[in-house]
Amino acid sequence: GAVVSQHPSWVICKSGTSVKIECRSLDFQATTMFWYRQFPKQSLMLMATSNEGSKATYEQGVEKDKFLINHASLTLSTLTVTSAHPEDSSFYICSAPGRDRDTGELFFGEGSRLTVL
Amino acid sequence: QQQVKQSPQSLIVQKGGISIINCAYENTAFDYFPWYQQFPGKGPALLIAIRPDVSEKKEGRFTISFNKSAKQFSLHIMDSQPGDSATYFCAASRGGSARQLTFGSGTQLTVLP
Repeated sequence: GAVVSQHPSWVICKSGTSVKIECRSLDFQATTMFWYRQFPKQSLMLMATSNEGSKATYEQGVEKDKFLINHASLTLSTLTVTSAHPEDSSFYICSAPGRDRDTGELFFGEGSRLTVL
Repeated sequence: QQQVKQSPQSLIVQKGGISIINCAYENTAFDYFPWYQQFPGKGPALLIAIRPDVSEKKEGRFTISFNKSAKQFSLHIMDSQPGDSATYFCAASRGGSARQLTFGSGTQLTVLP
């Protein structure tokens, strides 16, 4: 199946700094990628849809200036958490649709655990 | 409004037993119902999926049962193994658009050896 890679898998940063998380589709092109946030023992909450060559679409309640998304190429989307604070600590996961877009199947990255001190 | 309700929140099963997780949805426009398996610290992985034109789909030890009239679907894990211990999420989407994928709240399954 398709492979989606995330990096870093975990990161610890000081409050006020910015952190960038990368999401790559390794063996297929993804014009669309999705970013989710997951708190412990909770479900995945869609944050935004990353679109190659255009602006990301953010879900209601997600601060676009706080969570900057860039889809620079057909295989790479980045999420930058700007001026991170402890409440931004979470598990961030990206995903991309498979080659057969009609199925609605999503391939997920391994996730990135962010801890803000 | 939670569009996909999942139960139970947690489930403990003996090795060799059957694990059953249930989901109910509200939006009749949903036409794709996947189940994802997630291990701690990892991203979810697609386990099995079904479309509403069939009532059951089986892949190995995993079976989805689908009841369109009741707007319910369930995951059955036969001969449950300790390695099946994970969190399971049901989901639903419409029109093949991945953006519309709505997840259930998750079920933490523990299979005792």
